Amino acid sequence: QVELVESGGGVVQPGRSLRLSCAASGFSFGSYGIHWVRQAPGKGLDWVALISYDGSYKDYADSVKGRFAISRDDSQNTVFLQMNSLRADDTAVYYCAKDRYRLATTGGGAFDLWGQGTMVIISS
Amino acid sequence: EIVLTQSPATLSLSPGERATLSCRASQTVSSFLAWYQQRPGQAPRLLIYDASNRATGIPARFSGSGSGTDFTLTISSLEPEDFAVYYCQQRSTWPLTFGGGTKVEI
Repeated sequence: QVELVESGGGVVQPGRSLRLSCAASGFSFGSYGIHWVRQAPGKGLDWVALISYDGSYKDYADSVKGRFAISRDDSQNTVFLQMNSLRADDTAVYYCAKDRYRLATTGGGAFDLWGQGTMVIISS
Repeated sequence: EIVLTQSPATLSLSPGERATLSCRASQTVSSFLAWYQQRPGQAPRLLIYDASNRATGIPARFSGSGSGTDFTLTISSLEPEDFAVYYCQQRSTWPLTFGGGTKVEI
């Protein structure tokens, strides 16, 4: 079955850290970039981060640059999002999403498979 | 960054009617524009990529058009399951950006 499954969300205090995981199955994981996209409660979609198919290229939204780090472990077919120095405005559902474009060096930038999302709440 | 403006914010229609959704970019994105559907409580789903190409499994009633700065998503005849929020997204220039969404309601 072709799917992405996120985990690791929860309630944490401002300034603390959290690591999200995205487990992939059913497709050639090592051939595709993976993104994180978030959605604050009742709001629209915001792109957060990308890791290319081979892990050589990473990019971040300005709002998370220097605080979040994306990585991948192809032996586990899993992508991680390490989130540090969390703030109240990081509260959102975090989705991982597969890039549509195979072997795109810097990420193709359209999302053809999404996970169900994991909720992150930053609150004291 | 490229700002995508979607209009209208809300579209009130009946099943069987035609829906026309607009997305305007603050600068050209060529044809590097996608459309997504998000039903309540669900993850988004890719409908259209590169302005006019239907994604796998998407019904033919969904079509996309446009290039440069002006794009349109058309649903030729609304089915009950089409009432949802629709987002456009550009991949021309990083950072990737989404429009604010159009809600299609009954």
